Amino acid sequence: LAKTTQPISMDSYEGQEVNITCSHNNIATNDYITWYQQFPSQGPRFIIQGYKTKVTNEVASLFIPADRKSSTLSLPRVSLSDTAVYYCLVGDGQGYSTLTFGKGTMLLVSP
Amino acid sequence: NAGVTQTPKFQVLKTGQSMTLQCAQDMNHNSMYWYRQDPGMGLRLIYYSASEGTTDKGEVPNGYNVSRLNKREFSLRLESAAPSQTSVYFCASSVVSGDQETQYFGPGTRLLVL
Repeated sequence: LAKTTQPISMDSYEGQEVNITCSHNNIATNDYITWYQQFPSQGPRFIIQGYKTKVTNEVASLFIPADRKSSTLSLPRVSLSDTAVYYCLVGDGQGYSTLTFGKGTMLLVSP
Repeated sequence: NAGVTQTPKFQVLKTGQSMTLQCAQDMNHNSMYWYRQDPGMGLRLIYYSASEGTTDKGEVPNGYNVSRLNKREFSLRLESAAPSQTSVYFCASSVVSGDQETQYFGPGTRLLVL
């Protein structure tokens, strides 16, 4: 299983853009990169998934360089409600036990 | 749609007691999962079920059993609870659309074993 490395925590202020980088040096050819968000006392929630280059949805953007050994989740203009733990996962997109949740990145957004 | 539901929300057990955590999804998903989350830790996979009638061990299966009762329901049983099983338990189901898999999580069950 490809392991991921993320910063333990990050701080930001409302209105700023936040970029969280995840390293996955052993990513396999078939692996996708997926990000989840978890609020306190709730289950994780899917944010975005990509394979290469850039993916954008209404919540975030995901940047993946050509070598795919890292990826960056970009949250534009964060608000207090974006305070949460963000998990980077690598897997082949076919479910089962190929998705491994690490400790994630605790993002704290301050006024 | 209710999505993924879990019961109970909270439970306190004494060491050695048994209990079953229930999970149900109404999204017609094939795959279902049980995770545990300990303070300051990520989620660790206990068991998963790729389809009705099949189950497989995840990262931390010891002390647990599961049953995929039908496509909707996936239960987790603790036969003899231990304090080390104090945790928050999350059930999830997933759907694969094209090349993309998305997991949907329930609200969790908070278990305290004394």
